[in-house]
Amino acid sequence: QKEVEQDPGPLSVPEGAIVSLNCTYSNSAFQYFMWYRQYSRKGPELLMYTYSSGNKEDGRFTAQVDKSSKYISLFIRDSQPSDSATYLCAMGGGANSKLTFGKGITLSVRP
Amino acid sequence: DVKVTQSSRYLVKRTGEKVFLECVQDMDHENMFWYRQDPGLGLRLIYFSYDVKMKEKGDIPEGYSVSREKKERFSLILESASTNQTSMYLCASSLMTPYTQYFGPGTRLTVL
Repeated sequence: QKEVEQDPGPLSVPEGAIVSLNCTYSNSAFQYFMWYRQYSRKGPELLMYTYSSGNKEDGRFTAQVDKSSKYISLFIRDSQPSDSATYLCAMGGGANSKLTFGKGITLSVRP
Repeated sequence: DVKVTQSSRYLVKRTGEKVFLECVQDMDHENMFWYRQDPGLGLRLIYFSYDVKMKEKGDIPEGYSVSREKKERFSLILESASTNQTSMYLCASSLMTPYTQYFGPGTRLTVL
């Protein structure tokens, strides 16, 4: 089993839709959970950062962590064409002080 | 805002050439990282550094070396470029924890 698995996509939704992006992981030592957004031909941009379990909200974005299920989610409300990008989950913690990334999912929001 | 800059956006080199990729961050971050990103393989860690003159191998260090002589600057060196090193190279930095990493814009390297 891979340490971090992310739905490969791609995902296409109409403008205004609620988007749910998900990752599962196997390493129970992970405590830090990140979501990055990467526009085409650009570097990843840190979007959301959560420590341990729970929810975190920032505008139209909500990050959710369920450590008991080893499952994290990013919800985007009222999606906009400008949200079209690749979204990467990342996590770390424990003895291995590196980030482990999902492979990313490409989201397209149709006007 | 954290700013991580990389020396080139696009680079074309010949097989066998020595290639230097430079990364500079302006936020006094302790940690710096080099990744490569390839379709279907995601981000893979090449090398990282927790302090000046310190380096640690990541998951795919073969064919690469690094240098960190100053805190703000982290260089990736391809000793003898090969076609399988054609990739997008991303530099990142973070303050205390290695997890909240901020990325530069990337260098798309093509080795012919």
